[in-house]
Amino acid sequence: DTGVSQNPRHKITKRGQNVTFRCDPISEHNRLYWYRQTLGQGPEFLTYFQNEAQLEKSRLLSDRFSAERPKGSFSTLEIQRTEQGDSAMYLCASSFGLVGPNYGYTFGSGTRLTVV
Amino acid sequence: KQEVTQIPAALSVPEGENLVLNCSFTDSAIYNLQWFRQDPGKGLTSLLLIQSSQREQTSGRLNASLDKSSGRSTLYIAASQPGDSATYLCAVLFIPGGNAGNMLTFGGGTRLMVKP
Repeated sequence: DTGVSQNPRHKITKRGQNVTFRCDPISEHNRLYWYRQTLGQGPEFLTYFQNEAQLEKSRLLSDRFSAERPKGSFSTLEIQRTEQGDSAMYLCASSFGLVGPNYGYTFGSGTRLTVV
Repeated sequence: KQEVTQIPAALSVPEGENLVLNCSFTDSAIYNLQWFRQDPGKGLTSLLLIQSSQREQTSGRLNASLDKSSGRSTLYIAASQPGDSATYLCAVLFIPGGNAGNMLTFGGGTRLMVKP
């Protein structure tokens, strides 16, 4: 297991199209997070899964966004009817629990979305 | 509102200097604080994680301190090198409550350039 894997690394799409990103977390991590980062800013939380249950969603996650984590393994983030304002880096992270020396977050390399 | 702030937003230093990056947070009820490095267009690499009960963590030339009562953390980089040039992000895991939920709250980052 080499860490958190995200695909694709880059995606260019026309406004109005739908896009889907995939995240494969570290296998023993039960928590999976999606963040969005725009240029020059820190990442902002979008949503969070514990196993297959989606436990929290940010108000940033409009109804055009949907995330799933079937069977508590990989996760997908879909954006419908993309807008130029959706252009950002989408980061996935995983973790196991909240306390302890190994309980930090591990991030993937991200998917950079450009909406033209 | 639970917020994280990083000062300065950008820093340029000559090679070999010791430097300090600052992070402040508005609520002392935290689980942990994590420092990340981000290279341009890339994902986040975890540098150090400090649990709420700890005062500091060290890794090589990096030392991170935590003062919960004052809501501050510092990242000290000794003998800086051009390869240290990157954006450094501070992220806090606030104890659930208020609007923090279970997600990391990031500062805006400090863009560091180390000149040869």
